[in-house]
Amino acid sequence: EIVLTQSPGTLSLSPGERATLSCRASQSVTSTYLAWYQQKPGQAPRLLIFGASSRATGIPDRFSGSGSGTDFTLTISRLEPEDFAVFYCQQFETSPWTFGQGTKVEIK
Amino acid sequence: QVQLQESGPGLVKPSETLSLTCIVSGGSISNYYWSWIRQSPGRGLEWIGYIYYSGTTKYNPSLESRVTISVDTSNNQFSLKLSSVTAADTAVYFCAKTSTMARGVIYYAFDIWGQGTMVTVSS
Repeated sequence: EIVLTQSPGTLSLSPGERATLSCRASQSVTSTYLAWYQQKPGQAPRLLIFGASSRATGIPDRFSGSGSGTDFTLTISRLEPEDFAVFYCQQFETSPWTFGQGTKVEIK
Repeated sequence: QVQLQESGPGLVKPSETLSLTCIVSGGSISNYYWSWIRQSPGRGLEWIGYIYYSGTTKYNPSLESRVTISVDTSNNQFSLKLSSVTAADTAVYFCAKTSTMARGVIYYAFDIWGQGTMVTVSS
């Protein structure tokens, strides 16, 4: 099973700041098979990024994904008030498909 | 725009079978993969398994002995059965469309989710 470790656990930032979230895999993940999601309290996760760097439909361009192999990054260039939430990376490389434990981005 | 809606009992007794259905509206169930995912405070987000519209399935090995996912293309819906449940199966259960297309290429991604349904296992 591929274990995805996200860091930091919590990121305290102010609106307008840049957020950089890390996802490290226990074994190599093909970029095609790496996705990022945002989840707000009481809601289902929302797809942000698929294929490591492709934005899903309707996702603002302040969200970007990068990385390869075992290290992937989600960057939010300038945080908007609605961006504060929990973010998860997820892999489709091998079964079982797994999620990271999440990074909470909170308002400082 | 495709929308998903889970339905089923919110309370299941230990050792019984959890049964949920996901109704797909606004589009056809054909030509896509469809998954069940659950979320609990102790286990985080956990993929349960997927089904292709043709009926092909793949399950999380940790649950495979207890899980059955089926599809009903005539009613545009798919279902989850989880047998011999315990308190550890208490979670919010989501259904999700499991592929998306970009530039003519199909990618795996949970691109559309249902709102989720809370299932509690308790006597």
